[in-house]
Amino acid sequence: DTGVSQNPRHKITKRGQNVTFRCDPISEHNRLYWYRQTLGQGPEFLTYFQNEAQLEKSRLLSDRFSAERPKGSFSTLEIQRTEQGDSAMYLCASSPKTTNYGYTFGSGTRLTVV
Amino acid sequence: AQKVTQAQTEISVVEKEDVTLDCVYETRDTTYYLFWYKQPPSGELVFLIRRNSFDEQNEISGRYSWNFQKSTSSFNFTITASQVVDSAVYFCALISGTYKYIFGTGTRLKVLA
Repeated sequence: DTGVSQNPRHKITKRGQNVTFRCDPISEHNRLYWYRQTLGQGPEFLTYFQNEAQLEKSRLLSDRFSAERPKGSFSTLEIQRTEQGDSAMYLCASSPKTTNYGYTFGSGTRLTVV
Repeated sequence: AQKVTQAQTEISVVEKEDVTLDCVYETRDTTYYLFWYKQPPSGELVFLIRRNSFDEQNEISGRYSWNFQKSTSSFNFTITASQVVDSAVYFCALISGTYKYIFGTGTRLKVLA
């Protein structure tokens, strides 16, 4: 297992287009998280899955954002009708049942909306 | 409210100098966990250390050391004899009463050759 994998690494899209990112967590981790990091800031929580269930969504996640984790394995994050303010690094992380020991983060997908 | 403050936005040092990155946290919980992560230009967050609220013992790992002081709500990180490869953004983070990280805004460290 090579850790948390995210694809694509970079995405440039025109405003108004839809984009989808994928995250493959560490296989034995049942918890999966999405964070967003804008320039000069620390990552901010977006949403959390335990197995296939999405248990929490941040208020940062507008109606244009949707995340899924079918079968409790990989996850996708889709942004519809992208806006320039969506430009950020989108980080995925996974953890075993207890988070006390921290997550393992992926390398992120950097989105640029032009 | 829970909060992590990293007041130093950017620090520049010359190679081989020691450097300390400050982190101050706020939480009302008695059980919590503190972390430091390194984010190199490639973007991934690399785990450096975890410390729980009941363990104030300082830790040293090679050139890295951490000073946890509950009395001042601080969890500072020192790099001894800095190297160019240490150049990165360093984040302090808190997990308190939940599974969500609260990150500070990060400190960009530039180590000049």
